[in-house]
Amino acid sequence: GQSLEQPSEVTAVEGAIVQINCTYQTSGFYGLSWYQQHDGGAPTFLSYNGLDGLEETGRFSSFLSRSDSYGYLLLQELQMKDSASYFCAVRDKSYGQNFVFGPGTRLSVLP
Amino acid sequence: DTAVSQTPKYLVTQMGNDKSIKCEQNLGHDTMYWYKQDSKKFLKIMFSYNNKELIINETVPNRFSPKSPDKAHLNLHINSLELGDSAVYFCASSQVDRGRSYNEQFFGPGTRLTVL
Repeated sequence: GQSLEQPSEVTAVEGAIVQINCTYQTSGFYGLSWYQQHDGGAPTFLSYNGLDGLEETGRFSSFLSRSDSYGYLLLQELQMKDSASYFCAVRDKSYGQNFVFGPGTRLSVLP
Repeated sequence: DTAVSQTPKYLVTQMGNDKSIKCEQNLGHDTMYWYKQDSKKFLKIMFSYNNKELIINETVPNRFSPKSPDKAHLNLHINSLELGDSAVYFCASSQVDRGRSYNEQFFGPGTRLTVL
C-alpha cells in the first residue's frame, strides 16, 4: 500500500519563507506532485518532481529525495493569498500510475 | 472557457436514492478521474479511466460506477445513497500518452453531495 505524511498545520507571517514536508511509503514510486486548494475551491497543480533535486516555479519550489522518500514544498515571500491547504501526491506505478494524495497541510499566513 | 466542468455544484438528497454527477473536460485529455474529499479534506481517488482501461480503487463500494459516453465525459452514478457518501466529489483530467504521463491534473470545481 501507500502512505504519505505531512504536517497538519503551518502558520507563518507575510513575507516569510515556509517549508512543508512530505514523507511517503510506496511500493512503486514514480513521482511527487504538489497541489494547492483554497477553501471551497478545487485543487490546483503547483509542481511535479520525477527526479531528485529542486524545481523552481516563481515563489514556489519543490524538492525531492527519492533515497529518503522525502520531498518538500518551499513557499517564499509569503502572501495572504497563499493561505490554503497544500497536498503532496505520489504517482505510484503499482496503482496504475495514479496519484495517492497526502492528508494535506493547512497553511495560515498572518499579517 | 471552463477546462473541467461538473454539474450539479450542490446535490442534496435522501438516503436510498440514486443520483448522478456529470463531468466534462474540453482539454482534449485522454484520462479522467473521480476523487472523493471528505469532511477532513482527505482526497481519495475513486476511479481513473481512459478509452482503454478503467482502474477502480478497491475500497470504493460497487454502488459507485463511472460511465463514459465519450472521451470528454466521465459521469459518476451512485446507487442507494448512504449518509457516509456525503462529501465533495471532484472530477479531474490529465493527458497520459503512450506511457509518458503528464503529471498535471486539472480538477473540476467539485460537487458537494449531502445525503440526509
